[in-house]
Amino acid sequence: SQTIHQWPATLVQPVGSPLSLECTVEGTSNPNLYWYRQAAGRGLQLLFYSVGIGQISSEVPQNLSASRPQDRQFILSSKKLLLSDSGFYLCAWSVLSYEQYFGPGTRLTVT
Amino acid sequence: SQKIEQNSEALNIQEGKTATLTCNYTNYSPAYLQWYRQDPGRGPVFLLLIRENEKEKRKERLKVTFDTTLKQSLFHITASQPADSATYLCAYNAGNMLTFGGGTRLMVKP
Repeated sequence: SQTIHQWPATLVQPVGSPLSLECTVEGTSNPNLYWYRQAAGRGLQLLFYSVGIGQISSEVPQNLSASRPQDRQFILSSKKLLLSDSGFYLCAWSVLSYEQYFGPGTRLTVT
Repeated sequence: SQKIEQNSEALNIQEGKTATLTCNYTNYSPAYLQWYRQDPGRGPVFLLLIRENEKEKRKERLKVTFDTTLKQSLFHITASQPADSATYLCAYNAGNMLTFGGGTRLMVKP
């Protein structure tokens, strides 16, 4: 069966510090991968998606970036965090662009 | 541009009743609509997918309808239980992406 992992589960970082969040998927090949952010009490905002290694599409211009170094690994990064980057970050995967399966999320607080 | 909207107000119902949540979209009918459940502090969980040419889809106590004339999908939970309390999100497919509504919080009281 397929599983998706995200870490860390929670993170507190000062403004201006770098960020690296990792997502890995097991049990499937060549999945589409997605990064979302959810602000408190708000809906899901798609940040990046990838249909293959090294292929990244950005939906929202911001100080975040994403990379896909391996088929089942998706990384979200920032060189300098802003207060507005606080939120709940979710990774998801799908096959054939149908339903998506989400990871447990990372709660990021920028102080 | 296409928008997808859900009632942002929480829905409070009594245990045993049927909960009905609404998802409206503008402009064109999407090929698929999907419904997810999200519990606090957790990622959304896929529940049901309904295609444009399907009027209704069922799974256990869940039922989803898709009305392309009204540009609306309804999500029903019959015989609701307190464990059904969560936020329910609808989403439509656009190529490789999903666009989500803001979600409706359902509270089922015993």
